[in-house]
Amino acid sequence: EAQVTQNPRYLITVTGKKLTVTCSQNMNHEYMSWYRQDPGLGLRQIYYSMNVEVTDKGDVPEGYKVSRKEKRNFPLILESPSPNQTSLYFCASSTRQGSSYNEQFFGPGTRLTVL
Amino acid sequence: AQSVTQLGSHVSVSEGALVLLRCNYSSSVPPYLFWYVQYPNQGLQLLLKYTTGATLVKGINGFEAEFKKSETSFHLTKPSAHMSDAAEYFCAVRTGTASKLTFGTGTRLQVTL
Repeated sequence: EAQVTQNPRYLITVTGKKLTVTCSQNMNHEYMSWYRQDPGLGLRQIYYSMNVEVTDKGDVPEGYKVSRKEKRNFPLILESPSPNQTSLYFCASSTRQGSSYNEQFFGPGTRLTVL
Repeated sequence: AQSVTQLGSHVSVSEGALVLLRCNYSSSVPPYLFWYVQYPNQGLQLLLKYTTGATLVKGINGFEAEFKKSETSFHLTKPSAHMSDAAEYFCAVRTGTASKLTFGTGTRLQVTL
């Protein structure tokens, strides 16, 4: 089954404790992206990657890191989480068609609480 | 720059009534437009998309949307609401060859008996 998976689905942690949220897709998509969803703000892009070893900042990158060493994986790293990073996080991927991008497929989400 | 405005953070309709969720976009170049649905505790699922061609787009679960360039709108409609349509709906825009997808703030649809 074609899908985007995220782990963990739920995480409660404390301020300053490094964490990684994994994202993996099995559709051979070039493009991958991380979003955070907050009430009243919709989804905002954190980081994205157009292909292996190519990453760039989205709208709200502060406090986050990413890497893209393999095409299928795009982990989100919080080196020193803070309470304002409490949010619902989504990973998404899409394929590229020529110079254009197709619709994005989303993972199930990771609900993160930072105490 | 591209942006999306969804009018109404909450919409309530009776079962069987028309569903109308409003979306207006801003884009300096021809847009690609999307509607996604998010059911409770789930990720986002694509309902429908407009890229080029026919301006009336049909999606899953009986939803459709019409791209109106003159009004910069892409409103989502369904003739008859069902209880299972209760969810949050997001409009999104992407422009040209850009990879960035910009989302609206979402509209929560409530369906009552």
